[in-house]
Amino acid sequence: QVQLVESGGGLVKPGGSLRLSCAASGFIVSDYYMSWIRQAPGKGLEWVSYTSSSGHNIQYADAVKGRFTISRDSAKNSLSLQMNSLRAEDTAVYYCAREGTYSWDFWGQGTLVTVSS
Amino acid sequence: DIQMTQSPSFVSASVGDRVTITCRASQDVRGWLAWYQQKPGKAPKLLIYATSRLQSGVPSRFSGSVSGTDFTLTISSLQPEDFATYYCQQANSFPLTFGGGTKVEIK
Repeated sequence: QVQLVESGGGLVKPGGSLRLSCAASGFIVSDYYMSWIRQAPGKGLEWVSYTSSSGHNIQYADAVKGRFTISRDSAKNSLSLQMNSLRAEDTAVYYCAREGTYSWDFWGQGTLVTVSS
Repeated sequence: DIQMTQSPSFVSASVGDRVTITCRASQDVRGWLAWYQQKPGKAPKLLIYATSRLQSGVPSRFSGSVSGTDFTLTISSLQPEDFATYYCQQANSFPLTFGGGTKVEIK
C-alpha cells in the first residue's frame, strides 16, 4: 500500500540548515507530482513546494523561495527538501504529499522542524 | 495569489446534525477545489476533490458543491468520528492556497 514517511526534522538555530526526506513505498515517486506542505504549531496548512513528475516544473511559496530546494532521488524512491537560512517562522510540522487529481491523496505523518536559538 | 476565505471558523454541533462549511475563492479556480479533514496530531485526509468528487473510502455523508465562487462542504448527518478541523484548498494556480480552517466541535 501507499506510504510516505518523513524524516530529518529537529531543532536548528536561526540561519542554520536542515534536510528533510520523504521515503515512499507502494508507488514510484518519479511517476507523480509531489509537494511539501507545512503547519506551524496551532495554525493552518501552508503549501511550501511542488515538483512535477518530470522535475521540469518546480514551484515554491514566496516565503521560502531562494532558501528551500525540493528534489527527488529515484534510486531511493524519495523526495527531499533542503532548507537553508532557516528562520523562526519556518517552525512547523512538514508533510510530504502525493498529488492525485488536483489534490493530495496521500500524506506522510509529518516531521517537526523547530528553529530556535 | 488566490485567497480562500473559509467560514465559519468554528462550529458547535451535535451528532446527527447537518453541517455546512463554505469557502469563497477570490478568483475563479475552475472547479479545482479540494476539502481535507484533520484530526489532532494527524496528517490531513482528502475528502473531496474537483469540487464534488468523493475520494475513495470516504463516507457518502460528505458532499461538495459550488455556486459561483462559493464552494460548500456538507456533512449530512454528523457522526462522532467527524469532529475535526476541515480545510479547503484551491489547486488551480500557484501558489496553492488553503482556507483558514473550520473546527467542528461537539455541542
